[in-house]
Amino acid sequence: AQKITQTQPGMFVQEKEAVTLDCTYDTSDPSYGLFWYKQPSSGEMIFLIYQGSYDQQNATEGRYSLNFQKARKSANLVISASQLGDSAMYFCAMLTNDYKLSFGAGTTVTVRA
Amino acid sequence: EAGVVQSPRYKIIEKKQPVAFWCNPISGHNTLYWYLQNLGQGPELLIRYENEEAVDDSQLPKDRFSAERLKGVDSTLKIQPAELGDSAVYLCASSPTPTGEQYFGPGTRLTVT
Repeated sequence: AQKITQTQPGMFVQEKEAVTLDCTYDTSDPSYGLFWYKQPSSGEMIFLIYQGSYDQQNATEGRYSLNFQKARKSANLVISASQLGDSAMYFCAMLTNDYKLSFGAGTTVTVRA
Repeated sequence: EAGVVQSPRYKIIEKKQPVAFWCNPISGHNTLYWYLQNLGQGPELLIRYENEEAVDDSQLPKDRFSAERLKGVDSTLKIQPAELGDSAVYLCASSPTPTGEQYFGPGTRLTVT
């Protein structure tokens, strides 16, 4: 079975600082995709960033970057220069060959002014 | 471009009553998903459609849940009869292909009393 683990239930970060959200995964599929989503209190899931298992370079999207370490099966999200609007729940997810997107339990990020 | 639309946003019903949720995906997105999200957890897939065909409904509790996607566009998810444990957020998502990033709607928060 595919599994996504997010070990940090909640984190506090000071405005303008960087924060790293941990994600490890487990799959036997040779090809897979890793996603990060943001879910503010309004409830909508917002796509942030994607990393393919065969991508050589770490993905970046503005202030978001994905630290992909394939041998360790980790796909940590780094948010640089945190803003108050970054306060939300963050989910790591993995898409496997059966087209199923499996989510972790999420990490709540609170940005302090 | 309009996002995924869901209605209603909130629904409160008594147990044993029926309830239905509606989803309009992003125009041109052939793949549509229904997810269940319990409080403090990540979404879990209920069913995936490719056009009008339900290609993965292995996680759908078919004794009380049903779904349809007539004409391969809008979709309806129904629960009959609802149980207390069905209280959750029901998310609809769509993607242009089964391997692309999924775009989520705002969800329907169901409370069963």
